[in-house]
Amino acid sequence: GEDVEQSLFLSVREGDSSVINCTYTDSSSTYLYWYKQEPGAGLQLLTYIFSNMDMKQDQRLTVLLNKKDKHLSLRIADTQTGDSAIYFCAEILDTGRRALTFGSGTRLQVQP
Amino acid sequence: DAGITQSPRHKVTETGTPVTLRCHQTENHRYMYWYRQDPGHGLRLIHYSYGVKDTDKGEVSDGYSVSRSKTEDFLLTLESATSSQTSVYFCAISESTVAEQYFGPGTRLTVT
Repeated sequence: GEDVEQSLFLSVREGDSSVINCTYTDSSSTYLYWYKQEPGAGLQLLTYIFSNMDMKQDQRLTVLLNKKDKHLSLRIADTQTGDSAIYFCAEILDTGRRALTFGSGTRLQVQP
Repeated sequence: DAGITQSPRHKVTETGTPVTLRCHQTENHRYMYWYRQDPGHGLRLIHYSYGVKDTDKGEVSDGYSVSRSKTEDFLLTLESATSSQTSVYFCAISESTVAEQYFGPGTRLTVT
């Protein structure tokens, strides 16, 4: 079956690094995504990684993928108060399903 | 930002009434999706479309129908709204089945 799990809450201090974790169960996932949602807004695509990659870096964001453990993480360097939001990981499969399966989201709180 | 609009942005309706939500895109993307977002569940797929007049069900499709008569418009209809359909509804678009999805701003629906 398909399931994506995330911890519910993370609190960090401004300037520290944040690491948001995600586990998924379907080994046929092809792409894995990170989305950001600010209060009252839609989802904003942050970054994504293809399943044959181990790491992807994009400015302050680093995505790590451990296919053996089906574990995905998003590291935000030098976390700022503007990074406070809910972060969703999502997977898309190669089995014909044409939609994303989302985790329930991790609320990141950045304290000044 | 991808050209996606949703209307209405907020709606309050009574149980048993029909409701139609509209998603409009200006990107000419082939794929369009309707998700609902509820606390503790992340986003769940209701229906999606892979072309004009081509639609399929998602994981929570009961009580919902969709139509797509033009590339740019994807309508979600609640034939007889129930309180369990109180939620925030998001539309998304994508160029392909594995390309990133871009989300609209959402519609907050309350069924009393």
